[in-house]
Amino acid sequence: QKEVEQNSGPLSVPEGAIASLNCTYSDRGSQSFFWYRQYSGKSPELIMSIYSNGDKEDGRFTAQLNKASQYVSLLIRDSQPSDSATYLCAVNWAAGRRALTFGSGTRLQVQP
Amino acid sequence: TAGITQAPTSQILAAGRSMTLRCTQDMRHNAMYWYRQDLGLGLRLIHYSNTAGTTGKGEVPDGYSVSRANTDDFPLTLASAVPSQTSVYFCASSSDQGAGNEQFFGPGTRLTVL
Repeated sequence: QKEVEQNSGPLSVPEGAIASLNCTYSDRGSQSFFWYRQYSGKSPELIMSIYSNGDKEDGRFTAQLNKASQYVSLLIRDSQPSDSATYLCAVNWAAGRRALTFGSGTRLQVQP
Repeated sequence: TAGITQAPTSQILAAGRSMTLRCTQDMRHNAMYWYRQDLGLGLRLIHYSNTAGTTGKGEVPDGYSVSRANTDDFPLTLASAVPSQTSVYFCASSSDQGAGNEQFFGPGTRLTVL
Protein backbone atom coordinates (compact mmCIF):
# COMPACT_ATOMS: atom_id res chain seq x y z
CA GLN A 1 0.00 0.00 0.00
CA LYS A 2 1.61 3.21 -1.17
CA GLU A 3 1.11 5.95 1.39
CA VAL A 4 1.38 9.69 1.65
CA GLU A 5 1.62 11.02 5.18
CA GLN A 6 0.94 14.48 6.50
CA ASN A 7 0.50 15.88 9.97
CA SER A 8 -3.17 16.85 10.26
CA GLY A 9 -2.42 19.94 12.33
CA PRO A 10 -3.65 22.49 12.88
CA LEU A 11 -0.40 24.29 12.28
CA SER A 12 -0.76 27.77 13.71
CA VAL A 13 1.61 30.58 12.68
CA PRO A 14 1.46 34.34 13.18
CA GLU A 15 0.88 36.63 10.25
CA GLY A 16 4.12 37.41 8.44
CA ALA A 17 5.87 34.24 9.58
CA ILE A 18 7.05 31.31 7.49
CA ALA A 19 4.74 28.31 7.47
CA SER A 20 6.41 24.95 6.86
CA LEU A 21 4.29 22.02 5.75
CA ASN A 22 5.74 18.55 5.40
CA CYS A 23 4.82 15.36 3.59
CA THR A 24 6.45 11.94 3.43
CA TYR A 25 5.75 9.19 0.95
CA SER A 26 6.42 5.50 0.94
CA ASP A 27 7.53 4.68 -2.62
CA ARG A 28 11.10 5.66 -3.42
CA GLY A 29 10.34 5.47 -7.15
CA SER A 30 7.74 8.23 -7.06
CA GLN A 31 7.93 10.59 -9.98
CA SER A 32 6.11 13.83 -9.36
CA PHE A 33 4.73 15.75 -6.41
CA PHE A 34 2.05 18.34 -5.95
CA TRP A 35 0.71 20.70 -3.34
CA TYR A 36 -2.95 21.63 -3.35
CA ARG A 37 -4.69 24.22 -1.24
CA GLN A 38 -8.26 23.58 -0.16
CA TYR A 39 -10.40 26.16 1.55
CA SER A 40 -13.25 24.89 3.68
CA GLY A 41 -16.16 23.80 1.51
CA LYS A 42 -14.21 24.30 -1.71
CA SER A 43 -12.35 22.08 -4.13
CA PRO A 44 -8.58 21.51 -4.14
CA GLU A 45 -6.57 24.10 -6.04
CA LEU A 46 -3.14 23.27 -7.43
CA ILE A 47 -0.50 25.66 -6.12
CA MET A 48 2.85 23.92 -6.73
CA SER A 49 4.31 20.98 -8.59
CA ILE A 50 7.85 19.65 -8.29
CA TYR A 51 9.58 16.85 -10.14
CA SER A 52 13.27 16.94 -9.26
CA ASN A 53 15.31 17.24 -6.10
CA GLY A 54 15.84 20.69 -4.71
CA ASP A 55 13.77 23.82 -4.35
CA LYS A 56 11.18 25.37 -6.62
CA GLU A 57 9.95 28.87 -5.89
CA ASP A 58 6.77 30.57 -7.04
CA GLY A 59 6.02 33.88 -5.37
CA ARG A 60 5.66 33.33 -1.64
CA PHE A 61 5.63 29.55 -2.07
CA THR A 62 8.65 27.25 -2.16
CA ALA A 63 8.39 23.51 -2.68
CA GLN A 64 11.31 21.36 -1.55
CA LEU A 65 11.87 17.79 -2.66
CA ASN A 66 14.29 15.26 -1.23
CA LYS A 67 13.83 11.93 -2.96
CA ALA A 68 16.53 10.18 -0.94
CA SER A 69 14.67 10.96 2.29
CA GLN A 70 11.27 10.62 0.63
CA TYR A 71 9.84 13.90 1.74
CA VAL A 72 8.44 16.96 0.11
CA SER A 73 7.73 20.22 1.87
CA LEU A 74 5.98 23.49 1.20
CA LEU A 75 7.16 26.78 2.66
CA ILE A 76 4.89 29.80 2.68
CA ARG A 77 6.72 33.04 3.34
CA ASP A 78 5.06 36.13 4.78
CA SER A 79 2.00 34.08 5.73
CA GLN A 80 -1.32 35.86 5.46
CA PRO A 81 -4.68 35.07 7.08
CA SER A 82 -5.92 34.27 3.56
CA ASP A 83 -3.44 31.38 3.50
CA SER A 84 -5.48 29.66 6.20
CA ALA A 85 -6.64 26.45 4.54
CA THR A 86 -5.91 22.75 4.34
CA TYR A 87 -2.87 21.86 2.27
CA LEU A 88 -2.89 18.53 0.48
CA CYS A 89 0.23 16.73 -0.68
CA ALA A 90 -0.20 14.45 -3.72
CA VAL A 91 2.17 11.97 -5.33
CA ASN A 92 2.30 10.39 -8.78
CA TRP A 93 3.92 7.02 -8.27
CA ALA A 94 5.13 6.26 -11.76
CA ALA A 95 5.59 7.95 -15.10
CA GLY A 96 2.61 7.18 -17.30
CA ARG A 97 0.40 6.43 -14.33
CA ARG A 98 -2.15 9.19 -14.23
CA ALA A 99 -3.85 8.92 -10.88
CA LEU A 100 -2.50 10.69 -7.80
CA THR A 101 -2.42 9.52 -4.22
CA PHE A 102 -3.24 12.21 -1.71
CA GLY A 103 -2.29 12.74 1.89
CA SER A 104 -5.07 13.63 4.28
CA GLY A 105 -3.90 17.23 4.49
CA THR A 106 -2.50 19.69 7.01
CA ARG A 107 -4.73 22.46 8.28
CA LEU A 108 -2.90 25.79 8.46
CA GLN A 109 -4.13 28.66 10.58
CA VAL A 110 -2.49 32.06 10.14
CA GLN A 111 -3.20 34.26 13.13
CA PRO A 112 -3.60 38.00 12.38
CA THR B 1 -13.21 29.44 -19.25
CA ALA B 2 -15.49 27.14 -17.28
CA GLY B 3 -12.87 24.44 -16.68
CA ILE B 4 -14.68 21.60 -14.97
CA THR B 5 -18.33 21.69 -14.01
CA GLN B 6 -20.16 19.24 -11.79
CA ALA B 7 -23.85 18.73 -11.18
CA PRO B 8 -25.69 18.71 -8.93
CA THR B 9 -23.99 20.87 -6.30
CA SER B 10 -25.61 18.84 -3.57
CA GLN B 11 -28.12 16.08 -3.26
CA ILE B 12 -29.96 14.12 -0.59
CA LEU B 13 -30.71 10.60 -1.75
CA ALA B 14 -32.69 7.78 -0.21
CA ALA B 15 -30.77 4.56 0.29
CA GLY B 16 -31.39 2.10 -2.51
CA ARG B 17 -31.98 4.78 -5.11
CA SER B 18 -29.71 5.30 -8.08
CA MET B 19 -28.06 8.52 -9.05
CA THR B 20 -25.65 9.87 -11.66
CA LEU B 21 -23.20 12.62 -10.82
CA ARG B 22 -22.28 14.63 -13.87
CA CYS B 23 -18.87 16.01 -14.77
CA THR B 24 -17.95 18.02 -17.86
CA GLN B 25 -14.66 19.65 -18.79
CA ASP B 26 -13.90 22.07 -21.59
CA MET B 27 -10.10 21.90 -21.48
CA ARG B 28 -9.83 18.95 -23.90
CA HIS B 29 -7.95 16.97 -21.27
CA ASN B 30 -7.51 13.31 -22.07
CA ALA B 31 -7.64 11.98 -18.51
CA MET B 32 -10.46 12.35 -16.00
CA TYR B 33 -10.94 11.12 -12.45
CA TRP B 34 -13.50 10.74 -9.72
CA TYR B 35 -12.49 11.12 -6.08
CA ARG B 36 -14.43 11.06 -2.88
CA GLN B 37 -13.38 13.07 0.14
CA ASP B 38 -14.29 12.05 3.64
CA LEU B 39 -13.25 13.73 6.87
CA GLY B 40 -9.90 12.38 8.04
CA LEU B 41 -9.44 10.16 4.99
CA GLY B 42 -8.41 12.66 2.36
CA LEU B 43 -9.15 12.22 -1.30
CA ARG B 44 -9.57 8.65 -2.52
CA LEU B 45 -9.72 7.66 -6.16
CA ILE B 46 -12.91 5.88 -7.26
CA HIS B 47 -12.48 5.48 -11.01
CA TYR B 48 -10.42 7.07 -13.72
CA SER B 49 -10.27 7.31 -17.48
CA ASN B 50 -7.01 7.90 -19.33
CA THR B 51 -8.77 8.63 -22.60
CA ALA B 52 -12.23 8.53 -24.15
CA GLY B 53 -13.50 4.97 -24.40
CA THR B 54 -11.39 3.59 -21.53
CA THR B 55 -11.95 3.45 -17.79
CA GLY B 56 -10.17 1.94 -14.80
CA LYS B 57 -10.78 1.20 -11.15
CA GLY B 58 -9.23 3.25 -8.41
CA GLU B 59 -8.82 2.61 -4.71
CA VAL B 60 -12.53 2.50 -3.78
CA PRO B 61 -14.56 1.47 -6.85
CA ASP B 62 -17.21 -0.76 -5.26
CA GLY B 63 -20.75 0.52 -5.69
CA TYR B 64 -19.78 2.96 -8.44
CA SER B 65 -19.59 2.81 -12.22
CA VAL B 66 -18.36 5.24 -14.85
CA SER B 67 -18.41 5.68 -18.60
CA ARG B 68 -16.40 7.83 -20.96
CA ALA B 69 -18.23 8.15 -24.24
CA ASN B 70 -16.39 11.33 -25.26
CA THR B 71 -13.53 13.55 -24.14
CA ASP B 72 -15.60 16.08 -22.23
CA ASP B 73 -17.96 14.02 -20.06
CA PHE B 74 -17.28 11.53 -17.29
CA PRO B 75 -20.43 10.62 -15.33
CA LEU B 76 -20.32 8.65 -12.09
CA THR B 77 -23.27 6.38 -11.30
CA LEU B 78 -24.33 4.94 -7.98
CA ALA B 79 -26.60 2.01 -8.86
CA SER B 80 -28.06 1.49 -5.39
CA ALA B 81 -26.90 4.10 -2.90
CA VAL B 82 -25.91 3.19 0.66
CA PRO B 83 -25.29 5.54 3.61
CA SER B 84 -21.53 4.89 3.46
CA GLN B 85 -21.52 6.66 0.10
CA THR B 86 -22.30 9.91 1.86
CA SER B 87 -19.35 12.06 0.88
CA VAL B 88 -18.14 14.97 -1.20
CA TYR B 89 -17.36 13.87 -4.74
CA PHE B 90 -14.80 15.65 -6.87
CA CYS B 91 -14.19 15.23 -10.55
CA ALA B 92 -10.76 16.12 -11.91
CA SER B 93 -8.97 16.16 -15.23
CA SER B 94 -5.43 16.28 -16.52
CA SER B 95 -3.67 16.72 -19.82
CA ASP B 96 -1.12 14.24 -21.09
CA GLN B 97 1.12 17.13 -22.02
CA GLY B 98 4.21 17.46 -19.86
CA ALA B 99 5.69 15.10 -17.35
CA GLY B 100 3.75 15.75 -14.24
CA ASN B 101 0.06 15.00 -14.63
CA GLU B 102 -1.19 18.15 -12.94
CA GLN B 103 -4.82 17.60 -12.07
CA PHE B 104 -7.52 20.24 -11.91
CA PHE B 105 -10.66 19.81 -9.89
CA GLY B 106 -14.30 20.64 -10.32
CA PRO B 107 -16.32 22.33 -7.55
CA GLY B 108 -17.62 19.07 -6.12
CA THR B 109 -20.96 17.43 -5.35
CA ARG B 110 -22.02 16.95 -1.75
CA LEU B 111 -24.06 13.76 -1.51
CA THR B 112 -25.99 12.60 1.53
CA VAL B 113 -27.50 9.11 1.49
CA LEU B 114 -30.17 8.51 4.12
